[in-house]
Formats: sequence, structure tokens, C-alpha cells
Amino acid sequence: NAGVTQTPKFQVLKTGQSMTLQCAQDMNHNSMYWYRQDPGMGLRLIYYSASEGTTDKGEVPNGYNVSRLNKREFSLRLESAAPSQTSVYFCASSFSLGNEQFFGPGTRLTVL
Amino acid sequence: AQSVTQLDSQVPVFEEAPVELRCNYSSSVSVYLFWYVQYPNQGLQLLLKYLSGSTLVKGINGFEAEFNKSQTSFHLRKPSVHISDTAEYFCAVSGGSNYKLTFGKGTLLTVNP
Repeated sequence: NAGVTQTPKFQVLKTGQSMTLQCAQDMNHNSMYWYRQDPGMGLRLIYYSASEGTTDKGEVPNGYNVSRLNKREFSLRLESAAPSQTSVYFCASSFSLGNEQFFGPGTRLTVL
Repeated sequence: AQSVTQLDSQVPVFEEAPVELRCNYSSSVSVYLFWYVQYPNQGLQLLLKYLSGSTLVKGINGFEAEFNKSQTSFHLRKPSVHISDTAEYFCAVSGGSNYKLTFGKGTLLTVNP
């Protein structure tokens, strides 16, 4: 089992460009999450999907959109990237909302 | 609402010394509690979890934590640390199976030779 996979691992964008971060899990989990991690700020939840077909805003949703494509896949889209979105992005999944989350390896994004 | 406070942002210790990383939480419902570790340039991985039962929980790599309901704490301990334990540690709380996890801001443990 691969667990949680994320693509790409690294990305450099120019201000105003768009991109989609991909996440997939093979553990048959119902819930999936997107976080960003910045120095001194810990993990901040961007969006989550409690189950297939539902998505909800987290703590810092502005500038992002998500799609729960199916039970396995949950993508994060930046429509018009800004330097403030330079961060490390982690996808995670869990069997249900309150259970332990399994994390992917992260995507390091730089917006110039 | 639930929240987590990790009382120390950085903890430096010498190799083979004991360590305690402190975590306090607040929740209006029953709690599930977790500790995660993040090594440099990696994702988070679960160290241990408390769902119910014994208040002393043992995890991987020799770590353990004790759930103290009266003090609303879930401190992480290891009796003797190694250089390889250098990492960031995150405490997390959930109000149960219908509540998503809330993470603390992390504690950077640095083990010096």
C-alpha cells in the first residue's frame, strides 16, 4: 500500500499562475484534508472532505478551491497564485473525522 | 469547540537525558488525543493515540504519554532520548468520531550530543 501520495513534490509558480495539487489515498478512508505548514504557524487546515461528495472550509480557505473527485482523490487548486501562498502543503486522510490522520510527504510550493 | 496548547515551542536536551513535551487541551466533549512526529522534510507520522481505556499510552520509538483528565493534559515523555529523536512533535485533539482533529503549533525537540 502506498498510503497517501501527493504530486508534485516541488513546484515554482509566478504570481497569477494557477495549478492543482493532487492527492490520492489507497486505504479506503472516508475523510480527506488539505493543510498548509509555515514556520512558526504549525499546521493550518485549508479544506476538508468528511466523506465523498462533501467539502468544507477549514481555517484558511481564501484563495483555494478543492474537489473530491472520488473516494480516493482530493485535489487542491490555486486559481491565481500569490506569494503569500508559498508554503508546504500536506494532504491527509482518515477513516472518519475523529480518527488518526495519515499524511502524505508534502508539496513544497514557491510563488515568485 | 476544542483547542490544543503546546506549552514549549522549542525544547533542547542532551542525548540520553529524559524529556517531557507538554500538551494541554480543551474540549466540550469526550476526547481522542494524538501525538505526531515530523522529521525534517517529511510528513507527519503517528507516535501514539489515546481513545479510551488505560490513561498511560505507549507508542513507537520508546515514547509514552499520559492522559490526565483533571488537568486536561496529555504530556509526551521519553526516559532517554537519542540524536535521531530530533524532530518536531505535534499534539492533536478530537472530540470524537464526528469531530475533526485540531493540532497544536508544535514543539521542536533538538537532541544535542
